[in-house]
Amino acid sequence: QTVVTQEPSFSVSPGGTVTLTCGLSSGSVSSSYYPSWYQQTPGQAPRTLISSTNTRSSGVPDRFSGSILGNKAALTITGAQADDESDYYCALYMGSVSWVFGGGTKLTVV
Amino acid sequence: EVQLVESGGGLVQPGGSLRLSCAASGFTFSNYWMHWVRQVPGKGLVWVSCIKSDGSSTCYVDSVKGRFTISRDNAKNTLYLQMNSLRAEDTAVYYCTRGRTGNYFDYWGQGTLVTVSS
Repeated sequence: QTVVTQEPSFSVSPGGTVTLTCGLSSGSVSSSYYPSWYQQTPGQAPRTLISSTNTRSSGVPDRFSGSILGNKAALTITGAQADDESDYYCALYMGSVSWVFGGGTKLTVV
Repeated sequence: EVQLVESGGGLVQPGGSLRLSCAASGFTFSNYWMHWVRQVPGKGLVWVSCIKSDGSSTCYVDSVKGRFTISRDNAKNTLYLQMNSLRAEDTAVYYCTRGRTGNYFDYWGQGTLVTVSS
């Protein structure tokens, strides 16, 4: 059973830069996994931020960017703002028409 | 404006059944794959099931295979999830979400809560 790994929590200062990662319990993440990223605040539905590694969804500020760093997918927030405090989930396409989400990262802006 | 509105959640006993619906509007429903994603309160997202735009192909996470059935009615712009033999571990908020080329999910409903408990 493949597990998609994310940092459980992360903290960033207002105006700071933070990089969240999305890895695999076995193997490396590449663009072939079509990594996507979602933001969720408590009680709300997820919001799509990034698709296909680095394509920002409509309306998403350009302080959010996606990439592959080493053997993981990454979401970088540059110039973090208070309302970026949320849970962030990555999802990977595992082939054979199946997807797996990571466990999520709780981002605190303090 | 794309809208996805789930309904049909509620309290059901273990072993029982429930059918969720997702009413879609604001786009040509019959052109898109659709998915169900669930989330245990306080926990992470889990992809559950998908269905091709014309309904000819379906897919499921292993934990629901043989118990859940996804379907759609393109004339009614509605997605369904028939859930049978429900277990306590199926308790979650179920989200309907639209699939896009590039293997991601772009629009999400607000979710419907399913509670499996005696």
